[in-house]
Amino acid sequence: KQEVTQIPAALSVPEGENLVLNCSFTDSAIYNLQWFRQDPGKGLTSLLLIQSSQREQTSGRLNASLDKSSGRSTLYIAASQPGDSATYLCAVSGDYKLSFGAGTTVTVRA
Amino acid sequence: AAGVIQSPRHLIKEKRETATLKCYPIPRHDTVYWYQQGPGQDPQFLISFYEKMQSDKGSIPDRFSAQQFSDYHSELNMSSLELGDSALYFCASSQTGLSGANVLTFGAGSRLTVL
Repeated sequence: KQEVTQIPAALSVPEGENLVLNCSFTDSAIYNLQWFRQDPGKGLTSLLLIQSSQREQTSGRLNASLDKSSGRSTLYIAASQPGDSATYLCAVSGDYKLSFGAGTTVTVRA
Repeated sequence: AAGVIQSPRHLIKEKRETATLKCYPIPRHDTVYWYQQGPGQDPQFLISFYEKMQSDKGSIPDRFSAQQFSDYHSELNMSSLELGDSALYFCASSQTGLSGANVLTFGAGSRLTVL
């Protein structure tokens, strides 16, 4: 059974700092890994998708890396803004379903 | 672009009542997934359907059932509702193909409150 762990569980930084969010998974036989953002009580917004054959993906201030052999992914958010405050979830894709981590709740202080 | 449509967005029920949630996947997507997210928890996989057949089953209670119809929409039926069933229910869809590889697109969720 795939186990997905996200560290830290919560993070508070001043505006402008770079954010580093970590995700680890136990079964390296994955098809892809996705990072999602979730605002309180809201839906899941897909941020980045990394296929298993890729090492990283970038979108604007976001960069995600994937090291499948070690079962790790890292999401970097550059120059954080108060609007980045949310919970960030990583999810790994196995046969027919995604397995989610518990998320990292980020607070960016103005 | 069309997204995954879930209805209703909000639903309030009493204990022991029945609730039905609907999900309309992205056109040409052949797989539908249901997830349950309790307060402060990560989404938990309930069940998935590929080409109208159940493809995988997670932590879905026996009181819940689901199916995928010929037009690929799916319904999650929940009976004998309990307070603990109060959660956000997400549907997602993907175009899976034969390999099982999937890129899921999520709907906005249906919030069920059981009183």
